[in-house]
Amino acid sequence: GESVGLHLPTLSVQEGDNSIINCAYSNSASDYFIWYKQESGKGPQFIIDIRSNMDKRQGQRVTVLLNKTVKHLSLQIAATQPGDSAVYFCAETSKTSYDKVIFGPGTSLSVIP
Amino acid sequence: EAQVTQNPRYLITVTGKKLTVTCSQNMNHEYMSWYRQDPGLGLRQIYYSMNVEVTDKGDVPEGYKVSRKEKRNFPLILESPSPNQTSLYFCASRGHPGSPLHFGNGTRLTVT
Repeated sequence: GESVGLHLPTLSVQEGDNSIINCAYSNSASDYFIWYKQESGKGPQFIIDIRSNMDKRQGQRVTVLLNKTVKHLSLQIAATQPGDSAVYFCAETSKTSYDKVIFGPGTSLSVIP
Repeated sequence: EAQVTQNPRYLITVTGKKLTVTCSQNMNHEYMSWYRQDPGLGLRQIYYSMNVEVTDKGDVPEGYKVSRKEKRNFPLILESPSPNQTSLYFCASRGHPGSPLHFGNGTRLTVT
């Protein structure tokens, strides 16, 4: 498959455990945040998003937390499964420039069966 | 199925030989964009288009051209490829502003 990064932070978790992936964003004016999942050989795939008027949003097995005070995002994956193994990116953008999306460096999640 | 389709998936070429990577989306999205992904550098925007006949430079536009003659298509053109353009390229589109990007599955380009 495709290698998307040689120097990515890596998180290894046991199957069934919860995973927490962290992301620091750069622009205090950013008001829309997205998490993407990229599997080997594929393009980034949308997982969940959150706007700056919220501090938590839940999806199916995933939760995103937003702390605007310290410019921090986290993605929590419940009951991690082998199919969750991938690279996860956070992204930020703002209403003043939705054409510009800033991507984080990514975290490689490895699930141990 | 809603999707962004890029072709080819893999391309090996030589320095200076013009090439085009095609991108097409079937979601009637106005916004389309090209990114390159390199180890240690993440995803970087090359060009984007807000609508037909409207294109603008991203962060790394040098050596690339784009066109947007139709809403669904946004080809990436390398007039004279060089080895430093060896990379993994992604096309993406989105609907209204403040909605997530939809990505294609990538084109792995090698320039020798």
